[in-house]
Amino acid sequence: DAGVIQSPRHEVTEMGQEVTLRCKPISGHNSLFWYRQTMMRGLELLIYFNNNVPIDDSGMPEDRFSAKMPNASFSTLKIQPSEPRDSAVYFCASSPEWTESSYNEQFFGPGTRLTVL
Amino acid sequence: KNEVEQSPQNLTAQEGEFITINCSYSVGISALHWLQQHPGGGIVSLFMLSSGKKKHGRLIATINIQEKHSSLHITASHPRDSAVYICALFSQGGSEKLVFGKGMKLTVNP
Repeated sequence: DAGVIQSPRHEVTEMGQEVTLRCKPISGHNSLFWYRQTMMRGLELLIYFNNNVPIDDSGMPEDRFSAKMPNASFSTLKIQPSEPRDSAVYFCASSPEWTESSYNEQFFGPGTRLTVL
Repeated sequence: KNEVEQSPQNLTAQEGEFITINCSYSVGISALHWLQQHPGGGIVSLFMLSSGKKKHGRLIATINIQEKHSSLHITASHPRDSAVYICALFSQGGSEKLVFGKGMKLTVNP
């Protein structure tokens, strides 16, 4: 298995531009997570999906951020308009299943390093 | 007050030493997750715990629910263990929220 695939690996953009990050989870995994990591705040959970349905998006910073999972093999995280403070590494992870009664290991993608100038 | 505290923040050890990394938390949890982040940035899941102890190779993770404390032990440490170790907890209360510690940077010198 190729593991969790994220693209692009690096993104440099200018303030105000739209940014779309992509994630392909491990086949057969039902849960997908988007994280953001910065030096100041460490790792933060932005949103997670179970069976393509968003379960908890309380970590999404503001309306400029949106995430979708149109099918079991693809998810996007979009930032519009982007701001310099959005610069961070964005990780996607997947898990066989993640519910309050059933926790499984999460498998992380390599991350996308976003720089907003 | 942070919900998750990790100690120490940084640790330098010599190869072969026994290492303990601590994680304390202040909320009720459903599970606790230990992650390892390599210098290159990649993140690997080490353990998922809700009680007791788990062992994998030279790594041992324990959790004490009553004391709200978990430890990650590394036996016979090796330079390749150098990484940031992150404790994450899945808090109760219906929020289903994942909360992360700041991480502990471990350096193992040969």
